[in-house]
Amino acid sequence: QIQLVQSGPELKKPGETVKISCKASGYTFTNYGMNWVKQAPGKGLKWMGWINTYTGEPTYADDFKGRFAFSLETSASTAYLQINNLKNEDMATYFCARGYQYYFDYWGQGTTLTVSS
Amino acid sequence: QIVLTQSPAIMSASLGERVTMTCTASSSVSSSYLHWYQQKPGSSPKLWIYSTSNLASGVPARFSGSGSGTSYSLTISSMEAEDAATYYCHQYHRSPPTWTFGGGTKLEIK
Repeated sequence: QIQLVQSGPELKKPGETVKISCKASGYTFTNYGMNWVKQAPGKGLKWMGWINTYTGEPTYADDFKGRFAFSLETSASTAYLQINNLKNEDMATYFCARGYQYYFDYWGQGTTLTVSS
Repeated sequence: QIVLTQSPAIMSASLGERVTMTCTASSSVSSSYLHWYQQKPGSSPKLWIYSTSNLASGVPARFSGSGSGTSYSLTISSMEAEDAATYYCHQYHRSPPTWTFGGGTKLEIK
């Protein structure tokens, strides 16, 4: 069955870097794009961007250009989200989600990031 | 960039009641590109309705979706306890490829 399994919760200080993983199984990884979605505590969903898993080309939503980076380890069917120079407002749960046609059909379980000095 | 506005933000319904929530787009959206997700506390979102009116696998038949242009809706014909959740609409914009979520409608049991 199709699964997206994300890495565990993270506790970081402001200014540090975090790298969150999303390991896919049950399908051909390079056939579907991978999206990243942010959910701040008590808030709604915000699309961060996506990465073309075939070419490796990332696309970032306007609010996520600069400190955010999507990458792949195709041999391991794994996508990564890296956030540099962490800020308090980065504290959130981050989801990976497989892109199918024009919607997101499978989601990871989420990775909770806490940013605190 | 298209903005999706969901209303109401919070609503409550009695068991057995008919429920309708709406999603209004700032510009016209193709019905193929408008979708809905259900999210319960502590869980990841689940695809619920895709391309306006198609139920995702496992979604009960009491759910339906409709709409066109800038106005879309999700309806539950008879509210059940398990339907309490937050529902998000979601749209795809073709050029450049981008996605947007609405702010969500939280549905509670009255």
